[in-house]
Amino acid sequence: KQEVTQIPAALSVPEGENLVLNCSFTDSAIYNLQWFRQDPGKGLTSLLLIQSSQREQTSGRLNASLDKSSGRSTLYIAASQPGDSATYLCAPRSGAGSYQLTFGKGTKLSVIP
Amino acid sequence: DAGVIQSPRHEVTEMGQEVTLRCKPISGHDYLFWYRQTMMRGLELLIYFNNNVPIDDSGMPEDRFSAKMPNASFSTLKIQPSEPRDSAVYFCASNERGLVRETQYFGPGTRLLVL
Repeated sequence: KQEVTQIPAALSVPEGENLVLNCSFTDSAIYNLQWFRQDPGKGLTSLLLIQSSQREQTSGRLNASLDKSSGRSTLYIAASQPGDSATYLCAPRSGAGSYQLTFGKGTKLSVIP
Repeated sequence: DAGVIQSPRHEVTEMGQEVTLRCKPISGHDYLFWYRQTMMRGLELLIYFNNNVPIDDSGMPEDRFSAKMPNASFSTLKIQPSEPRDSAVYFCASNERGLVRETQYFGPGTRLLVL
């Protein structure tokens, strides 16, 4: 059974800092991995999706990397802004034949103006 | 498109009562997912459908939970009888197979409190 761990559970940084969120998963036989953002009281919004054959994916100030063999992914946020404050969750997908995503408990990010 | 629509947004009920949560997926999406989120367990997949057919219900916690998808634009998750430990936020998500991103689009959730 896939298990996903996200470290740290919470993070507070001043505006403008670059930061890294970590995600580790126990079963490396994944099809892809997604990073989501969740704002308080809201649903999840997909930020980035990395296929198992890829090493990196970028969108604006966000960069996600994937090391499938070691069961790790990182989300890098450049020049953080107060609007980035949210909970970030990673979710590996178990296989091509299954749409099951396994979610970590997330990292709650606070960017202080 | 209005996105995934869930109702009600909030539900407060007493233990033993029947609870029905509703979801309208994005038009044209052929996959629908039900998730439950709690502080203790995080976000868990309960069941998902493809073309209105349940594919994997291994996450449904017990027989008190049931889900149906009578047509492509509507799904329900029912809890009967409800218990306090069912208190959680329930999310519905939909996905269209074949999209390059293959991402799941989430609804705003239903906050359920069972007293």
